[in-house]
Amino acid sequence: DIQMTQSPSSLSASVGDRVTITCRASQSISNYLNWYQQKPGKAPKFLISVASALQSGVPSRFSGSGSGTDFTLTISSLQPEDFATYYCQQSYSTPWTFGHGTKVEIK
Amino acid sequence: QVQLQESGPGVVKPSETLSLICTVSGGSISSYYWSWIRQPPGKGLEWIGYFYSSGTTNYNPSLKSRVTISVDMSKNQFSLRLSSVTAADTAVYYCARGRRNDYGLNWFDPWGQGIMVTVSS
Repeated sequence: DIQMTQSPSSLSASVGDRVTITCRASQSISNYLNWYQQKPGKAPKFLISVASALQSGVPSRFSGSGSGTDFTLTISSLQPEDFATYYCQQSYSTPWTFGHGTKVEIK
Repeated sequence: QVQLQESGPGVVKPSETLSLICTVSGGSISSYYWSWIRQPPGKGLEWIGYFYSSGTTNYNPSLKSRVTISVDMSKNQFSLRLSSVTAADTAVYYCARGRRNDYGLNWFDPWGQGIMVTVSS
């Protein structure tokens, strides 16, 4: 199985801050990398595919980058509605696997 | 707009079979990779498997011996059966539509709201 490691596991930030979350794959996955946002008690919401393609309706303050084994999700200016847990997911090979999540909390 | 809704018992006894249904509304269940994903309390997400409309299934090897995912096209539903459950199977279970691009990259969108299933006697 391909292991996905996210860092940090949690972070505290203020509204307006720039936030960067890292996801590392245990082997190269090209750009077969997706990002999801999950708020408490809710289902995950699909944000980004192919490492950097923002889904329709996702604010442009979100961006993704990376290829191979190292990927990042950046929120350029954190908004109150962005406080949530973020998961990366690889679909390079089954079993598809997720990172353990990064919880973004209010400072 | 496609919506998914899970249904089934909230409590299952150890050693019994967990059975859940996902009802798809607002779109056809043909095509796509109809998937189940679970999340133990306070933990991360685990992909369980999918049923593709061609009849192909693909299961997580960690659960493969106990899992069956099937589709009922006449009802626009797909289902999950997980046998011989233990407390480790306690989780929120999500159904999701899996999509694939021309290069074989898959993603899950949308998701159902999730259903909490507790394994307890």
